[in-house]
Amino acid sequence: AQTVTQSQPEMSVQEAETVTLSCTYDTSESDYYLFWYKQPPSRQMILVIRQEAYKQQNATENRFSVNFQKAAKSFSLKISDSQLGDAAMYFCAYRRDNQGGKLIFGQGTELSVKP
Amino acid sequence: DADVTQTPRNRITKTGKRIMLECSQTKGHDRMYWYRQDPGLGLRLIYYSFDVKDINKGEISDGYSVSRQAQAKFSLSLESAIPNQTALYFCATSDLAPGQHNEQFFGPGTRLTVL
Repeated sequence: AQTVTQSQPEMSVQEAETVTLSCTYDTSESDYYLFWYKQPPSRQMILVIRQEAYKQQNATENRFSVNFQKAAKSFSLKISDSQLGDAAMYFCAYRRDNQGGKLIFGQGTELSVKP
Repeated sequence: DADVTQTPRNRITKTGKRIMLECSQTKGHDRMYWYRQDPGLGLRLIYYSFDVKDINKGEISDGYSVSRQAQAKFSLSLESAIPNQTALYFCATSDLAPGQHNEQFFGPGTRLTVL
């Protein structure tokens, strides 16, 4: 069975600095997606970034980028120039294929941003 | 208007009561999902439905049942609520389009407290 692990329950970053959130996963599949979701205090789940396993290039969305290491089964999220609005719970998630299938989530990392 | 809506947004109930959480979507997606979120555990899949006639158990279906009344509606029921079902519940939808990412779109969540 696939599993996703986020080993950092809490992280803190100074405003304007860079922070990296860690995620590891376990799968025997070769074709899958990985995601980072943000959950602010409003509770809404917001997709931050996605990575397709067959793509070697790391995904980037503005200040958010990932370091995808397929062999190591590692998928970290880097937030550059951190802003107060980045404070939230962040979830790493895995999906086996491109068939709209179910997501498997990590435990979450609570990110606080200090002014 | 929101594409995925959940009612109620918050609910407090007593042990042994039957409760239904409702989800509606206007995205025209065939696939719908129910997850629950607990601190330190992330989101876990309860049930999912790939179309009106297709219902599947997820990781933690015990104590829950679902009904897919129409393509746009997917309800989650707790037949006899117990305190450890206190959690944040999310409905999500996704499409099944070849060549597309088919990401999941989440509702705003229902905070359920069982006393």
